[in-house]
Amino acid sequence: GNSVTQMEGPVTLSEEAFLTINCTYTATGYPSLFWYVQYPGEGLQLLLKATKADDKGSNKGFEATYRKETTSFHLEKGSVQVSDSAVYFCALLSGSARQLTFGSGTQLTVLP
Amino acid sequence: DADVTQTPRNRITKTGKRIMLECSQTKGHDRMYWYRQDPGLGLRLIYYSFDVKDINKGEISDGYSVSRQAQAKFSLSLESAIPNQTALYFCATQGRDMVRNEQFFGPGTRLTVL
Repeated sequence: GNSVTQMEGPVTLSEEAFLTINCTYTATGYPSLFWYVQYPGEGLQLLLKATKADDKGSNKGFEATYRKETTSFHLEKGSVQVSDSAVYFCALLSGSARQLTFGSGTQLTVLP
Repeated sequence: DADVTQTPRNRITKTGKRIMLECSQTKGHDRMYWYRQDPGLGLRLIYYSFDVKDINKGEISDGYSVSRQAQAKFSLSLESAIPNQTALYFCATQGRDMVRNEQFFGPGTRLTVL
């Protein structure tokens, strides 16, 4: 079956630090990959996505590259801000699947 | 106005009580979902519906039921609440192309079962 594994949190960084949140997946076929973000007290919202191997998704300074050879979709940002503090979820949609499969989420706290 | 609304936002109830959580959307989407979120477990799918006549069980449907009253409304019921159903519940909607269209989430309902 499909599964998503994210690095465990919580992650605490200082403002302007470099961020990496690891995500690896197991899926049948060629999945589409997503990062969703949940700000405090809110529902999830799509941050970025990639639909085929070697695609790079990007938004708000965040990037993630779909690496089929390592089955990974790591989230990166060069310089985090306090406002980036949130929970980040990696997710996949595989083939004929009718639903997203989510990772367990990674809590990020950015300190001023 | 928010595109996906959930009521109530917070609810405290007792074991054995029947609870209904409601979700409404103004996005015109056919597809609607109910998830629960627990610390360290991410989001787990309870039920989903691709139209008014298409209801499907998700990963953890035991102890829950749903009703799709209209395209815009999708309710989740706990027939007899138990403490391990204490969680944050999210409703989401999506257009038909699941790759091109993202899921839109409501603000969540925090349910506590004593």
